[in-house]
Amino acid sequence: DIQMTQSPSTLSASVGDRVTITCRASQSISSWLAWYQQKPGKAPKLLIYKASSLESGVPSRFSGSGSGTEFTLTISSLQPDDFATYYCQQYNRGTFGQGTKVEIK
Amino acid sequence: EVQLVQSGAEVKKPGESLKISCKGSGYSFTSYWIGWVRQMPGKGLEWMGIIYPGDSDTRYSPSFQGQVTISADKSISTAYLQWSSLKASDTAMYYCARRGKYYDFWSGPGPFDYWGQGTLVTVSS
Repeated sequence: DIQMTQSPSTLSASVGDRVTITCRASQSISSWLAWYQQKPGKAPKLLIYKASSLESGVPSRFSGSGSGTEFTLTISSLQPDDFATYYCQQYNRGTFGQGTKVEIK
Repeated sequence: EVQLVQSGAEVKKPGESLKISCKGSGYSFTSYWIGWVRQMPGKGLEWMGIIYPGDSDTRYSPSFQGQVTISADKSISTAYLQWSSLKASDTAMYYCARRGKYYDFWSGPGPFDYWGQGTLVTVSS
């Protein structure tokens, strides 16, 4: 089984901060990686697919990078609407990371 | 507008059976895979399985193989997730989600571009 490990588990940040979340795979997954945002009581929302492709309608402050075993999601300037939990998913096998909660500092 | 509308919350006793549904609209239901994702209380997301309504090709996560059954009725654009004997540990929110067409080949269960609103299943004696 391919394991996905996100870091950090929780991140405290302020509006306007640049935020980076990391997702590491236990073995190479090429670019089979997506990022989702989930707010409390809501379904997840797709942000990034193919590791770095921005889903239609998603603000350009979100970006993804990486390939192989290490990936990052970056929010260039954190907005009030961005406080949420973020999950990576290696979709070749379906496995999700454990999540990173972005909270207000 | 693409929509996935799930059936309502359920409260069941251990040992009971259950079938929850996910109705797709606004797109060609038979042309997209539909997956199911579990989220236990306060926990992360877990992919359970996925079905292609066009031919009912179904694939399961090893963790859920034999524990649930996924099916679809393309005549009414609806996918299902069912249990034959519920356990307390099945208490969770269950989401259906559409696998987007980002590849011309099977690349795996994802990415999921549209999601249902979730069905909360509570199993308690």
